[in-house]
Amino acid sequence: AQSVTQLGSHVSVSEGALVLLRCNYSSSVPPYLFWYVQYPNQGLQLLLKYTTGATLVKGINGFEAEFKKSETSFHLTKPSAHMSDAAEYFCAVSKPGTYKYIFGTGTRLKVLA
Amino acid sequence: SQTIHQWPATLVQPVGSPLSLECTVEGTSNPNLYWYRQAAGRGLQLLFYSVGIGQISSEVPQNLSASRPQDRQFILSSKKLLLSDSGFYLCAWSDGAQETQYFGPGTRLLVL
Repeated sequence: AQSVTQLGSHVSVSEGALVLLRCNYSSSVPPYLFWYVQYPNQGLQLLLKYTTGATLVKGINGFEAEFKKSETSFHLTKPSAHMSDAAEYFCAVSKPGTYKYIFGTGTRLKVLA
Repeated sequence: SQTIHQWPATLVQPVGSPLSLECTVEGTSNPNLYWYRQAAGRGLQLLFYSVGIGQISSEVPQNLSASRPQDRQFILSSKKLLLSDSGFYLCAWSDGAQETQYFGPGTRLLVL
């Protein structure tokens, strides 16, 4: 069975500081991995995804994530936080061919001025 | 380009009343369709998914049902709402090639 763990339900960073949101997964087969962002009372927007190939994945809004098989991790980073990055972020894992995701419980990012 | 719509945006319903939430997708054909419920602090829970007209898979036994009467229409229903049905309901679609899910704007349901 697959599972996703997001460490830290709330993360606060100062504007301009590094953003690091953690995601660890469990999967019996090489997974597909996703990061989504959700702004209040809105749906989820895809930030980036890893399927195969290059393990460092670049997404929208300056975010990137690195797939590390040995650590079963897919952490999301951004070099410099902006006030507009304040939102909730979800990591998800999928078993290829199943078309179904398992979501983490989310991390709420707060950006301090 | 593809777009996904959900309505209503918000809904307040009394306990025991029926429910119908609608989701439609434009700009694609034969999408996979999904219904999720989001509760505070619990992430997203997959409720139903469909790979074609009339084909519905239920992930969690509960008070809800889903139907897909047309290729790009997905409906979430209940005959009698419970307090525990309150939440934020999200519809999503994906195509078979990319396995990436795209989400609608959501419906906020409050059962009183």
